[in-house]
Amino acid sequence: GDSVTQMEGPVTLSEEAFLTINCTYTATGYPSLFWYVQYPGEGLQLLLKATKADDKGSNKGFEATYRKETTSFHLEKGSVQVSDSAVYFCALSDRGSNYQLIWGAGTKLIIKP
Amino acid sequence: GAGVSQSPSNKVTEKGKDVELRCDPISGHTALYWYRQSLGQGLEFLIYFQGNSAPDKSGLPSDRFSAERTGGSVSTLTIQRTQQEDSAVYLCASSRGQGNNQPQHFGDGTRLSIL
Repeated sequence: GDSVTQMEGPVTLSEEAFLTINCTYTATGYPSLFWYVQYPGEGLQLLLKATKADDKGSNKGFEATYRKETTSFHLEKGSVQVSDSAVYFCALSDRGSNYQLIWGAGTKLIIKP
Repeated sequence: GAGVSQSPSNKVTEKGKDVELRCDPISGHTALYWYRQSLGQGLEFLIYFQGNSAPDKSGLPSDRFSAERTGGSVSTLTIQRTQQEDSAVYLCASSRGQGNNQPQHFGDGTRLSIL
């Protein structure tokens, strides 16, 4: 079945550092890919998405590119801020699974001032 | 309201009791999903509704779990004879319809604690 694997955390960075959180997937069809973010004490929020190969999703300075050849959707940000501290989830949805979201385990990001 | 609303936000109950969790989706969203977030299991799909129908119940962990949706809007997730392993945050999401271009919008969840 479909699955998502993302790098384990926690990831600890200093403010203004470059961020990469790796995400790879396996899917039988042509999934859409998502990054969701969960800030402390808050619910899940959609951060960005990409629906087909080579699409780039972007939001709030974060970017991720749908790479079909490497089955990856790595999340990047050029300069992180303390306010980016949160748990980040990579997920996919696919017609074959009724578009339910299939989730990675989540990566906790800690940004130190 | 503008977003997905879930109630109660917190529920503490004794083992063996029944609980009912409510989800009020975004107005006009026809698709509704229930997920569970627990420490050991991460995020798991439970059930999906399109309108009032539940074509995919594959994620329900046991026959103690059931869900319904009425009027194409509010959904309730019922857990009978609760067990300690049911302790988790139960999340509801809705989307405008099915399809890869329809992102799911989440409520804040119900934190369920079974004593």
